[in-house]
Amino acid sequence: DQQVKQNSPSLSVQEGRISILNCDYTNSMFDYFLWYKKYPAEGPTFLISISSIKDKNEDGRFTVFLNKSAKHLSLHIVPSQPGDSAVYFCAASTVGAQKLVFGQGTRLTINP
Amino acid sequence: DTAVSQTPKYLVTQMGNDKSIKCEQNLGHDTMYWYKQDSKKFLKIMFSYNNKELIINETVPNRFSPKSPDKAHLNLHINSLELGDSAVYFCASSQGDRALFFGSGTQLSVL
Repeated sequence: DQQVKQNSPSLSVQEGRISILNCDYTNSMFDYFLWYKKYPAEGPTFLISISSIKDKNEDGRFTVFLNKSAKHLSLHIVPSQPGDSAVYFCAASTVGAQKLVFGQGTRLTINP
Repeated sequence: DTAVSQTPKYLVTQMGNDKSIKCEQNLGHDTMYWYKQDSKKFLKIMFSYNNKELIINETVPNRFSPKSPDKAHLNLHINSLELGDSAVYFCASSQGDRALFFGSGTQLSVL
């Protein structure tokens, strides 16, 4: 039972354009959502997060949107840069759970 | 000055052997974790420790035994290794804000 799903295994975007990565979840108890970025042979690194009391959080080129009614979140990267090429994981947690539930990742490739 | 470091990075071994993976964090975090990334690339929690106390054990076989000698270290010992144990194992730590900081992973290959 996969509670966090990233239905696109891969995404290819032109440099300078917007990249949109999507994530769906099924557990309505999730109240905190995160995006991680992972390069090959490295561990995931924290990118940006959002609490369920918000519907948007922005940090530089990265913006996360949360639609609670649709149980959907997305990560927007604009403008996309070659260094953004990586696997992006969506994750979610509930207060007090002290663990993250991850999606299976989306491989983003930024083409020059 | 790596924040979460785990060793070894690669581990190749025969079925039936016993092996250990070590993890150390210098972030002063209270909570440490082991996650497993399987062949389908899912990252799934195995264990978490808070101040040396086990708080999460996600139906992991008894062959896997975590040990936390202090809050900066969380080691993973695996007995009688099986082919299905081949995966990448990630150590992580966190403090309060729920964002985990991960180590670079240990690629375990059981032959």
